[in-house]
Amino acid sequence: AQSVSQHNHHVILSEAASLELGCNYSYGGTVNLFWYVQYPGQHLQLLLKYFSGDPLVKGIKGFEAEFIKSKFSFNLRKPSVQWSDTAEYFCAVNAPFKAAGNKLTFGGGTRVLVKP
Amino acid sequence: DAGITQSPRHKVTETGTPVTLRCHQTENHRYMYWYRQDPGHGLRLIHYSYGVKDTDKGEVSDGYSVSRSKTEDFLLTLESATSSQTSVYFCAISNDRTGNYEQYFGPGTRLTVT
Repeated sequence: AQSVSQHNHHVILSEAASLELGCNYSYGGTVNLFWYVQYPGQHLQLLLKYFSGDPLVKGIKGFEAEFIKSKFSFNLRKPSVQWSDTAEYFCAVNAPFKAAGNKLTFGGGTRVLVKP
Repeated sequence: DAGITQSPRHKVTETGTPVTLRCHQTENHRYMYWYRQDPGHGLRLIHYSYGVKDTDKGEVSDGYSVSRSKTEDFLLTLESATSSQTSVYFCAISNDRTGNYEQYFGPGTRLTVT
């Protein structure tokens, strides 16, 4: 079965610091990759996605992610965080590609706290 | 935001009672999903549906059943609630018409089983 690992469970930063969250997946074939964000008390919202093409993907709110196929990784980055980026971040993989149900496998999430 | 509503938004119930959660969408998307969210586990798929009356199990389906009699509604039933089913439940939808496999999430239902 596919698995998605997010190695950092909790991250604490100060405003203006740079953020990088790791995501590794186990599936060796074609994948679609996603990062979702969940602000306190809210539902999950899509930050960005990778389907094909340029491995550096830009999303909303200044976030970007880089797909490195050889490392089975899809790390999320933001050069300068704000207090409003405090949230939980989830990496997800759609694999096997086009499998029945368009199912996603989620990582365990990373809680990010940005101190003002 | 995608047109997804969940009801109820909060529920407290006693062990052994049946509970039904409802997900309603206005997007006419083919796929619908039920997840549970627990600290440290991310989101885990309970059941999903790929059409009316077409459902299948996810990774944590024991103790849960689902039904989809209309495109817009996907019901999750806890047949006999247990304390281990205390969780936040999210419904999601997905559209395969454009080859876009992202999922859109509802607001969640917080269920407490006492």
